[in-house]
Amino acid sequence: EVQLLESGGGLVQPGGSLRLSCAASGFTVSSTYVAWVRQAPGKGLEWVSLIYTGGNTRDADSVRGRFTISRDNSKNTVYLQMHSLRAEDTAVYYCARGHTTGTWSFEYWGQGSLVTVSS
Amino acid sequence: QSALTQPASVSGSPGQSITISCTGTSSDVGAYNFVSWYQQHPGKAPKLMIYDVSNLPSGVSDRFSGSKSGNTASLTISGLQAEDEANYYCFSYTISSTAAVFGGGTKLTVL
Repeated sequence: EVQLLESGGGLVQPGGSLRLSCAASGFTVSSTYVAWVRQAPGKGLEWVSLIYTGGNTRDADSVRGRFTISRDNSKNTVYLQMHSLRAEDTAVYYCARGHTTGTWSFEYWGQGSLVTVSS
Repeated sequence: QSALTQPASVSGSPGQSITISCTGTSSDVGAYNFVSWYQQHPGKAPKLMIYDVSNLPSGVSDRFSGSKSGNTASLTISGLQAEDEANYYCFSYTISSTAAVFGGGTKLTVL
């Protein structure tokens, strides 16, 4: 059974850093693309970052240069390192696994991890 | 990159059909067949309902269907049921630097 478990969220001050983890089970993270998607309180979904099977990454304009997606194959975990955090980065962060045959579509989702940026 | 445009809300009675539109540009929806749709109930993670414009993931009811014409993609739900009441989001790959973009979301109310 495919499962994704996010962790690492919490309260951080503006300008601070935080690293989210997405521990995967039921598949290997290097076998498909994995993404982070966030949702600010009461708002819609916003795509953040994606890592391909080959290790290449893509980032949304809103986070490029501040956030970095990576993975550790030995731990079967995908990370989102976040720097220079702003109030507008406050959101529930979901990790999501790509569909087996679909392109840029996400079939499995974690339960989310809340990041709050506030002083 | 602006979000794809969806109606804020749609409604329908049980058994009826509804369609949710998702309007983009020739750089995203119109450029690729990489449009997907997600259902999200309050407090829950999103669920993939349609991928690559019109493909149904395993386990998703065939009451859901997707299509695309030009820069506009559509999600149709036939035989509306109470459990379909949720927020729906479209998503598309884009040639712009931001790579991908969601629609603003549509709240479906089953009357």
